[in-house]
Amino acid sequence: EVQVVESGGGLVQPGGSLRLSCAASGFTLTSYWVTWVRQAPGKGLEWVANINQDGSQRYYVDSVKGRFTISRDNAKNSVFLQMHSLSAEDTAVYYCARGIASSSSLWGQGTQVTVSS
Amino acid sequence: QSVLTQPPSASGTPGQRVTISCSGSKSNIVSNTVNWYQHLPGTAPKLLIYSNNQRPSGVPARFSGSISGTSASLAISGLQSEDEADYYCAAWDNRLDGFVFGTGTKVSVL
Repeated sequence: EVQVVESGGGLVQPGGSLRLSCAASGFTLTSYWVTWVRQAPGKGLEWVANINQDGSQRYYVDSVKGRFTISRDNAKNSVFLQMHSLSAEDTAVYYCARGIASSSSLWGQGTQVTVSS
Repeated sequence: QSVLTQPPSASGTPGQRVTISCSGSKSNIVSNTVNWYQHLPGTAPKLLIYSNNQRPSGVPARFSGSISGTSASLAISGLQSEDEADYYCAAWDNRLDGFVFGTGTKVSVL
């Protein structure tokens, strides 16, 4: 089955770190831009970061610059989001998507990140 | 606060046509293509329209997109109960150097 599956979410204390993974199955993720999008409770969708096919281009929303790092391991057919200095404002469902704005767009079901003491 | 503004809600009866607007600016809608997503919270968002007016395979033809100046629109014709969801426009913004989603519109089928 062609899909992307997020993992790594959970409960973390303010100031803590978490690493999210986006694993692809049924296709080669190396051919696509990959994007992380989040939705905080009661809020709309927010673009977080994206990375191109070889990892040479990375973009971030201002609110996570310097704290989050997007990377990919093409050998593992996966993309990662390393998150540091987490705060309550980072609490959200995090979605991974390939080709967010193309005919081959494919999204995962999301992983919950909760920042709380 | 998003740079793409949508009405918070829209509604219609089954079979009606509903239109959702997305107001932007030169740095996003005018300079780059617009995409539309359907989302039921807790589920995977779904791309409905890309490149202003293109539908991915499997998206019904009753969903259509258009652009006029600094605004974009999504039209749903022949509204169905399964269309009840949140809808978001999105585009790359050259000034922010990032992808931006609209504020979202909740569509209700009366």
